Amino acid sequence: SAVISQKPSRDICQRGTSLTIQCQVDSQVTMMFWYRQQPGQSLTLIATANQGSEATYESGFVIDKFPISRPNLTFSTLTVSNMSPEDSSIYLCSAQTDNYGYTFGSGTRLTVV
Amino acid sequence: RKEVEQDPGPFNVPEGATVAFNCTYSNSASQSFFWYRQDCRKEPKLLMSVYSSGNEDGRFTAQLNRASQYISLLIRDSKLSDSATYLCVVNMDTNAGKSTFGDGTTLTVKP
Repeated sequence: SAVISQKPSRDICQRGTSLTIQCQVDSQVTMMFWYRQQPGQSLTLIATANQGSEATYESGFVIDKFPISRPNLTFSTLTVSNMSPEDSSIYLCSAQTDNYGYTFGSGTRLTVV
Repeated sequence: RKEVEQDPGPFNVPEGATVAFNCTYSNSASQSFFWYRQDCRKEPKLLMSVYSSGNEDGRFTAQLNRASQYISLLIRDSKLSDSATYLCVVNMDTNAGKSTFGDGTTLTVKP
C-alpha cells in the first residue's frame, strides 16, 4: 500500500497563530481526508480534499478555520488558523490507496499555548 | 445514537486468551467495513477488511452480520503485542471514501 509522509510530527504554537500541516503521498490518489483526534477519542473527519475543487467540510468545521489545499494528486495541506488551546489535538491525513481501507499519515500532535 | 458504536472496554486479558469485540452501525446502507488498529501515539493502521462471508487472517477473524448491523473481531491466542486500541470503521460508499470511526476498544494483554 502507499506511504503518506506527514509533517510536522508535532508543534507547540502560540494562540492566535496558524500552522500548516503537509501530507505527501507516494502515489496518486483521488481523495484525501483530514481528521482530528482528541486525546482518548476516536477520529473525527474535518474535510475531504479533492484535487481541482474546493474541499468538502463536515458539520462543525469551516474553511476559514481549516483551509485546505490540494494542488495535485499526491499532496495536500491543512492549515489550522487563529489557533486557540481548544485546537490542541492530533491531526491526521489519509487517503484511499487501494480498494480496501485507507492509509494514514503519522499524525501531527499540536499543542496550542 | 452514534453511527458506529463499539464495546467500551477496556479489555484486560491474559496471554493466550481469546477475546471478541463487537461493533454496531446505524446506517443499513453502509457498504464496507474495516477493523483498524491504533497503537498509543501512533496513527491507525488497517488490520483487516470485513466481508459478508467472514474472513480470517491468522489469529484474527472478522465477521459481518448485515441483518443485525454488527461487525465482530475475534482474536485467538492473544499476544502481548496485540495490546492496542481497535477501531471499527464503516464506509457508506466505497467510492465516496468517507469513513466513520467508532470510538475504539482498548485491549491490554498481560503476561
